[in-house]
Amino acid sequence: GQQLNQSPQSMFIQEGEDVSMNCTSSSIFNTWLWYKQDPGEGPVLLIALYKAGELTSNGRLTAQFGITRKDSFLNISASIPSDVGIYFCAGHNAGNNRKLIWGLGTSLAVNP
Amino acid sequence: DSGVTQTPKHLITATGQRVTLRCSPRSGDLSVYWYQQSLDQGLQFLIHYYNGEERAKGNILERFSAQQFPDLHSELNLSSLELGDSALYFCASSKGVSGGHEQYFGPGTRLTVT
Repeated sequence: GQQLNQSPQSMFIQEGEDVSMNCTSSSIFNTWLWYKQDPGEGPVLLIALYKAGELTSNGRLTAQFGITRKDSFLNISASIPSDVGIYFCAGHNAGNNRKLIWGLGTSLAVNP
Repeated sequence: DSGVTQTPKHLITATGQRVTLRCSPRSGDLSVYWYQQSLDQGLQFLIHYYNGEERAKGNILERFSAQQFPDLHSELNLSSLELGDSALYFCASSKGVSGGHEQYFGPGTRLTVT
């Protein structure tokens, strides 16, 4: 099925560094969602975006809904060991389908 | 805790068998979604129910079926199981009918087919 292009696929960083990841699509979306998944656990919703250009923060996390509506970005500032996990983006356009379209995830490792 | 519950947590069964996974959505949520996640893979959408009715289908095999009951809990039935069906199965719920609403995930059921 259709999937988003999420990059990078994996990241290995030092504690305290900032992290940036993004998702791009060939389709326009009305909703972007960012999730984090710990090993063996269910994904946890981090940030939801509903408007082009919207910039939303959740603690050290900041996500943006791209102006073109075809991309979204997630930044993590001052990373800590508990940021380790897989980050997924998901997008939705009610006009095209009834399903969330998911990225394949960015795996983040943090070296203490 | 997302408020979505799934049982069982773990399930080990043999090829050819049939299993049922159960999900209870968050209080007030009418939509239930099922996803499959194989080892080190992304989330594969299987099916979406809203208030008892099927709303959208994804990559769900014919050997798999689901339903949502009047009390809004949902069951995913997997039959004629194959080794490749081993995976984490997640249920998610949301308030509205649109698949674009914020979805909240349960802890998952880990299915191992031997």
